[in-house]
Amino acid sequence: NAGVTQTPKFQVLKTGQSMTLQCAQDMNHEYMSWYRQDPGMGLRLIHYSVGAGITDQGEVPNGYNVSRSTTEDFPLRLLSAAPSQTSVYFCASTPTGFYGGYTFGSGTRLTVV
Amino acid sequence: RKEVEQDPGPFNVPEGATVAFNCTYSNSASQSFFWYRQDCRKEPKLLMSVYSSGNEDGRFTAQLNRASQYISLLIRDSKLSDSATYLCVVNEEYGNKLVFGAGTILRVKS
Repeated sequence: NAGVTQTPKFQVLKTGQSMTLQCAQDMNHEYMSWYRQDPGMGLRLIHYSVGAGITDQGEVPNGYNVSRSTTEDFPLRLLSAAPSQTSVYFCASTPTGFYGGYTFGSGTRLTVV
Repeated sequence: RKEVEQDPGPFNVPEGATVAFNCTYSNSASQSFFWYRQDCRKEPKLLMSVYSSGNEDGRFTAQLNRASQYISLLIRDSKLSDSATYLCVVNEEYGNKLVFGAGTILRVKS
């Protein structure tokens, strides 16, 4: 039972490059979300999805795209990386209606230079 | 104003001490409340839910005061392994979206 798997664990990008952060879960959870964590800021919601084919914006969506073609996968795409996107990114999932019990992936540490 | 505010600490306490963290939230319509624990460079993990009547899980006790819009976490008989960042988390509407506080750092020393 792998839970939530994020890849890569570490990434360095140059300003202007694009990349996709991968997130996959094997628990058949309907709800998935992406957060970024910066020092002193707490986790901030980027995008979320309540099921395959449905996505919506969170608190800080600018510069990011998501898609949800299957229940299992919820990739996060950085369109044109900027130094302000240097952060730790967490993917999380939970069954719809189960409030609070998020399962988080181990995170992706992204540095944009 | 942040939606969920916590004292960042750090709280430095000796083993065996009792320590309490408080958290305030701004949205009076908030529905559900939680404490998460995050170890250094790891992902957050659910520690416990917080109920209006208060709830206890071993050495951990959580309280909710809706009138004052604050949440507390009490840790008794602190262990070295309790050293972590404790995140106050609020579900502000029906659904699964959670709002996280910035966290309170606890360091338990021998």
